Amino acid sequence: GAVVSQHPSWVICKSGTSVKIECRSLDFQATTMFWYRQFPKQSLMLMATSNEGSKATYEQGVEKDKFLINHASLTLSTLTVTSAHPEDSSFYICSQGKGAPVEQFFGPGTRLTVL
Amino acid sequence: AQSVTQLDSQVPVFEEAPVELRCNYSSSVSVYLFWYVQYPNQGLQLLLKYLSGSTLVKGINGFEAEFNKSQTSFHLRKPSVHISDTAEYFCAVSSAQGGSEKLVFGKGTKLTVNP
Repeated sequence: GAVVSQHPSWVICKSGTSVKIECRSLDFQATTMFWYRQFPKQSLMLMATSNEGSKATYEQGVEKDKFLINHASLTLSTLTVTSAHPEDSSFYICSQGKGAPVEQFFGPGTRLTVL
Repeated sequence: AQSVTQLDSQVPVFEEAPVELRCNYSSSVSVYLFWYVQYPNQGLQLLLKYLSGSTLVKGINGFEAEFNKSQTSFHLRKPSVHISDTAEYFCAVSSAQGGSEKLVFGKGTKLTVNP
């Protein structure tokens, strides 16, 4: 199988602060990483796609300066929510791609609450 | 571009009853199809996938799905559900051409299994 971890599992922060979420693949090297957000009782919406060593590709409507993605290695990607506001409160889920065709393996998610 | 429609937002059933969760997709190219399950406050777990070959796909936990190209459907079935199957189920599609790895998700179906 393929195991993906996220840290932290939940975080509460004050409005205006920045929060970093880590996504790690524990037993494989991922060619591509994906970041999603999920609002309560809704589906997953893709925010961005990144490949190791290159800039992330953001989906339309996602602010790249607000949601900073760093894909530092084949096993680690980070999402930083800068100057967080209450409307950024959401469930953030990463996935890592493996194989051809690519299959995505999802992390357990991070619940962000901005007060 | 692809889209996914999950026709039922909620499906209540009794334990040991059969269940079908419906999924229809739209795409101008050939596709890969997936079903994921999400338990509360957790990430997504792959139930099964259709990449090619046999249109009847068997997955984990006794679930199966059938790819019907003419009806552009990929309905999920289980002959006898358990209380532990209570969860949110997402159908997803990705393009089988052009190397696109993006997953497009449906809005989800909440399956509630009652005793």
